[in-house]
Amino acid sequence: GESVGLHLPTLSVQEGDNSIINCAYSNSASDYFIWYKQESGKGPQFIIDIRSNMDKRQGQRVTVLLNKTVKHLSLQIAATQPGDSAVYFCAETIAGGGGNKLTFGTGTQLKVEL
Amino acid sequence: DVKVTQSSRYLVKRTGEKVFLECVQDMDHENMFWYRQDPGLGLRLIYFSYDVKMKEKGDIPEGYSVSREKKERFSLILESASTNQTSMYLCASSSITGGGETQYFGPGTRLLVL
Repeated sequence: GESVGLHLPTLSVQEGDNSIINCAYSNSASDYFIWYKQESGKGPQFIIDIRSNMDKRQGQRVTVLLNKTVKHLSLQIAATQPGDSAVYFCAETIAGGGGNKLTFGTGTQLKVEL
Repeated sequence: DVKVTQSSRYLVKRTGEKVFLECVQDMDHENMFWYRQDPGLGLRLIYFSYDVKMKEKGDIPEGYSVSREKKERFSLILESASTNQTSMYLCASSSITGGGETQYFGPGTRLLVL
């Protein structure tokens, strides 16, 4: 079946460093990708999205890169702060997969060390 | 801002009880979703709805039902709660306009079935 997965379950970074969280997807028909942040005890929060006709999209301190050739997605967080500590999920939609259904990865725990 | 609210943050129920989880969104979104989230398994789609009075099964509908009598409200029902339904339940909504793929989540309901 189709899958969306993350390479690392836990990522530890020093405060102020840049963080890179990776995601692989297997379906070349996927055309929309989202990154969510989930803090402990809270629901997932939308961070940034990207469509398959783009390679890069930037937000505030975050950048998403999409490499369709190798079916890889990454989230880059600049100058990581303690408030960035959370679980990060990537999600995808598959063209023709039925409305707005998303497939989620299992998540990467980002830990920011002071 | 999109606001999705869930009726309870924590619930404790006994095996065999009928459980209602309520979700309300205030953005006039057409689509609403119910997920459960378990460690190591990520978010799994239980049911979703594209319109009032319509519903579609997700990936794990067994043991659950839903109701959508009003556009803003989507209820998840556990007809006879079982211990394997102990989980975090997340509601989400999305619009069909402007791409419509981004789902916005509520804070979650942590359900414990004894």
